[in-house]
Amino acid sequence: EAGVAQSPRYKIIEKRQSVAFWCNPISGHATLYWYQQILGQGPKLLIQFQNNGVVDDSQLPKDRFSAERLKGVDSTLKIQPAKLEDSAVYLCASSLQGTFYGYTFGSGTRLTVV
Amino acid sequence: GQQVMQIPQYQHVQEGEDFTTYCNSSTTLSNIQWYKQRPGGHPVFLIQLVKSGEVKKQKRLTFQFGEAKKNSSLHITATQTTDVGTYFCAGSDDYKLSFGAGTTVTVRA
Repeated sequence: EAGVAQSPRYKIIEKRQSVAFWCNPISGHATLYWYQQILGQGPKLLIQFQNNGVVDDSQLPKDRFSAERLKGVDSTLKIQPAKLEDSAVYLCASSLQGTFYGYTFGSGTRLTVV
Repeated sequence: GQQVMQIPQYQHVQEGEDFTTYCNSSTTLSNIQWYKQRPGGHPVFLIQLVKSGEVKKQKRLTFQFGEAKKNSSLHITATQTTDVGTYFCAGSDDYKLSFGAGTTVTVRA
């Protein structure tokens, strides 16, 4: 089966600029997640979608981050405006149904804010 | 919210030796999952434990879930260079999976 697709792989932007990441989950996976992984730390959940509805966005900095999952398939995560502390790897993951199944992660987007 | 702690943060192992990494949760978990992340890679799902006291093996890896469903361990026997990476445990409360900070393993040949 095809894996979770993410693009771009790398992005360098200046602070206060905007950036968007794209994710296409495994076909048939109802749950989609965006995680932020800062170097040396574990992944931190930003937002969780069940089909095209938001299940949990409690740790999403909503003043600058937004995400959507149109038609319950692929998803985009946007940051506007970016701050230096947003430098991290942004990982998209999907699972068949919530936390009852293992997650499949994409390769991630490494964001550097300068 | 739930917190998942992992120890040790770093594990330096001589090739051929065994080691164990531990995971503890502040709350009772519905299940716990383990992932491996190779340097420069992304987390890859290894296994899920659901039942109290459950033990599962994958070749040289042995995973345990505590009786109280608040802790877990990963034991690797006869460590090989292919075991290099960071091992994360992730605890579920049925709604959200929270990752620990990971144990980064290096192997001396």
